[in-house]
Amino acid sequence: DQQVKQNSPSLSVQEGRISILNCDYTNSMFDYFLWYKKYPAEGPTFLISISSIKDKNEDGRFTVFLNKSAKHLSLHIVPSQPGDSAVYFCAASAQRSGGSNYKLTFGKGTLLTVNP
Amino acid sequence: ETGVTQSPTHLIKTRGQQVTLRCSSQSGHNTVSWYQQALGQGPQFIFQYYREEENGRGNFPPRFSGLQFPNYSSELNVNALELDDSALYLCASSPGQGHGYTFGSGTRLTVV
Repeated sequence: DQQVKQNSPSLSVQEGRISILNCDYTNSMFDYFLWYKKYPAEGPTFLISISSIKDKNEDGRFTVFLNKSAKHLSLHIVPSQPGDSAVYFCAASAQRSGGSNYKLTFGKGTLLTVNP
Repeated sequence: ETGVTQSPTHLIKTRGQQVTLRCSSQSGHNTVSWYQQALGQGPQFIFQYYREEENGRGNFPPRFSGLQFPNYSSELNVNALELDDSALYLCASSPGQGHGYTFGSGTRLTVV
């Protein structure tokens, strides 16, 4: 049961253009969402996150949008740079009783290639 | 000390054997989680330790076990290895039980 889905295995964009990576989820208990970037032979690196009480969070070139009614989030990268080429994972968590979030549920990832 | 260090980086084991993977977390990170990433998949949660006690577990059988030590290091033990256990094993630590996870580079386990 894939609770977090990234339906595009790969995405190719030109340098300077916008990259839009999409993620859908099915578990309505998820209340926190994260994007991670992963280069080969490295662990995932945290990129940006958003709480379910917000619909947008921005950090420099990276913006995450959350549409709770559609159970959909997206990551926008503007402008895209060749160094952004990596696998991007969407992850979600649901707050446990006691206030501690502990488990991340990941999608399968999207390979972003930014061409010079 | 910064970063999360995992050892070994690569490992080949035979089906039925036992393996221990190690993780050294950042100082002060009292929460550690382990994830399994099979080829073409996202990381799957195995379990989490907080202050040396297991406080959450994913859909993995009991032959997957762990330990966390007071010096911010931890271990993942897998008994009776199966071919499907071949994967990248990731350790992630955080200073609390929130979302500030730092991942290590992983251990690539191959079971033959």
